[in-house]
Amino acid sequence: SQQGEEDPQALSIQEGENATMNCSYKTSINNLQWYRQNSGRGLVHLILIRSNEREKHSGRLRVTLDTSKKSSSLLITASRAADTASYFCATDLPTGANSKLTFGKGITLSVRP
Amino acid sequence: GAGVSQTPSNKVTEKGKYVELRCDPISGHTALYWYRQSLGQGPEFLIYFQGTGAADDSGLPNDRFFAVRPEGSVSTLKIQRTERGDSAVYLCASSLRGGETYNEQFFGPGTRLTVL
Repeated sequence: SQQGEEDPQALSIQEGENATMNCSYKTSINNLQWYRQNSGRGLVHLILIRSNEREKHSGRLRVTLDTSKKSSSLLITASRAADTASYFCATDLPTGANSKLTFGKGITLSVRP
Repeated sequence: GAGVSQTPSNKVTEKGKYVELRCDPISGHTALYWYRQSLGQGPEFLIYFQGTGAADDSGLPNDRFFAVRPEGSVSTLKIQRTERGDSAVYLCASSLRGGETYNEQFFGPGTRLTVL
């Protein structure tokens, strides 16, 4: 079963615009991570935010986490055509012995040149 | 350095056949994971190895699926009596350790399995 649900399911923007993607989850988490996937293969880790953090930055990426609402957002600023991909949020549970990630269904981002 | 590799990249088989999918993790990574991704969905967890042992196999859908990691490095996912519903991309990931607070998993390119 999938824990996370991303929103919107698909997003199309013009190069240079910002892209905001949201993720909601159902149970308490340890960490929340965002991944990118090109052409249905090869997940690439983008950023991790811990449950006790509220905001994190990495280059053009900004992630926020609201544990009270069980939601996270990923902002990509000044988007580029190369950002075109599917984006997934993934969570892992608070118990240390459990390392499996639970992914959402993903958001398809298209950046028009 | 080399990332996670998976072979074959594509596998086409007939319903009822047996298949094996291989994963070579990053050298030195003790934790290894298998996920399955159906079209239009996110990856779904199948099994997690810590060293040679399966620490969590709760995601294996039924007893047709089995995975091994005999020497704590390479892993093989085995599917018996394949069904059309098994068609998906099978992803492997590894991490330096499992079961810790921070757990970055590095994914391979996947094996696309098609059952005709």
